[in-house]
Amino acid sequence: DTGVSQDPRHKITKRGQNVTFRCDPISEHNRLYWYRQTLGQGPEFLTYFQNEAQLEKSRLLSDRFSAERPKGSFSTLEIQRTEQGDSAMYLCASSLVTSGRAYYEQYFGPGTRLTVT
Amino acid sequence: DAKTTQPNSMESNEEEPVHLPCNHSTISGTDYIHWYRQLPSQGPEYVIHGLTSNVNNRMASLAIAEDRKSSTLILHRATLRDAAVYYCILRGSGSSNTGKLIFGQGTTLQVKP
Repeated sequence: DTGVSQDPRHKITKRGQNVTFRCDPISEHNRLYWYRQTLGQGPEFLTYFQNEAQLEKSRLLSDRFSAERPKGSFSTLEIQRTEQGDSAMYLCASSLVTSGRAYYEQYFGPGTRLTVT
Repeated sequence: DAKTTQPNSMESNEEEPVHLPCNHSTISGTDYIHWYRQLPSQGPEYVIHGLTSNVNNRMASLAIAEDRKSSTLILHRATLRDAAVYYCILRGSGSSNTGKLIFGQGTTLQVKP
């Protein structure tokens, strides 16, 4: 399967702990997006990368959140000092964007479900 | 990004057509109309997109109003596997666009056997 993969699929942590999620995009996709989805709501945009450069961060991404994409391939999302409000599904998506294409769809991974107790 | 309005929920019988409406009265001339769906316990998946003309693919059809202020996603024969939340999203085009998707609440489609 060459789709977007995320690890772990589920994470339970205690309040105050740090957690890190990994996303492996589709090979050669140059854009990578992170979204967060709480129960009953649509996904909310957090941040995105063009290759290794982080180009936009949502106001939802507080100082406790950091994302990296060091070599323009996989990405990590770290949450420090987790709070119960961080409990959500964290989704990763990737796209192939080229200057010659007007449109590009996003391919989503299965998500990482975080529960903060 | 312009806002879309969708019904919260819809029901359909299996093997019947389903028409999922979306209003986007503030759409700009360069906005593409996208549909994604999210099956239970999965990430969203792309369904179809269009700009001005009606579009067909293996999953669905997209009918776009002449003034582009509304559109309809058509599933020609609903199956139980089509039960999902369907999101109608507007987004600009080109490589200079961020590409981020702004999801609303979507329409929860229930398919009855």
